[in-house]
Amino acid sequence: EIVLTQSPDSLSLSPGERATLSCRASQSVSSRYLAWYQQKPGQAPRLLIYNAANRATGIPDRFSGSGSGTDFTLTIGRLEPEDFAVYYCQQYSTSPTFGQGTKVEIK
Amino acid sequence: QVHLVQSGAEVKKPGSSVKVSCRTDGGSFSSYAISWVRQAPGLGLEWMGGIVPIYDTPTYAQKFQGRVTITADASTTTSYMELSSLSSEDTAVYYCARDGYTQGFFYFEYWGQGSLITVSS
Repeated sequence: EIVLTQSPDSLSLSPGERATLSCRASQSVSSRYLAWYQQKPGQAPRLLIYNAANRATGIPDRFSGSGSGTDFTLTIGRLEPEDFAVYYCQQYSTSPTFGQGTKVEIK
Repeated sequence: QVHLVQSGAEVKKPGSSVKVSCRTDGGSFSSYAISWVRQAPGLGLEWMGGIVPIYDTPTYAQKFQGRVTITADASTTTSYMELSSLSSEDTAVYYCARDGYTQGFFYFEYWGQGSLITVSS
């Protein structure tokens, strides 16, 4: 099983600032098979990024993904009020697993 | 447009079983995997397993092997997840999710609204 470790656990930022979230895998994720999700309280997760860098349908271009191998990053260019949420990475190189999440909070 | 509609909240006794349904409206049903993901209160997401209806052979996470059964009925475009030998640790919101790519387990593009299962004596 591939274990995903996200850092930091939480991030306090102001609207308009840039957010950088990290996801590290315990072994290489082949074919860049990594996705990112956003989850708000009481809601189902929403797909943001797939194949490490492809934005899902309807996702604003302030969200971008990068990385390969064992190190991946989700960047939110300028935080909007609606972006404060919990973010999860997920790999599908082997049986799917998720990271523990990073909470982006308003400073 | 694809929508996944799940059954409602349930309260179950320890040691019993629960069966949750997930109906897919719109899009193709048979070619895309349906996965089940759970989230305990205040915690993260956990993949339990899934099924590609056209293959009709489920795949389970090792943690749930022997305790979970996932099925799919193409005639009603509905997937079911049954979890047995319930304990309080199984209290969680259970989500179904449809894959974004065909014939395997990849990323989860569409999600159901979630079904809260509470295990309590």
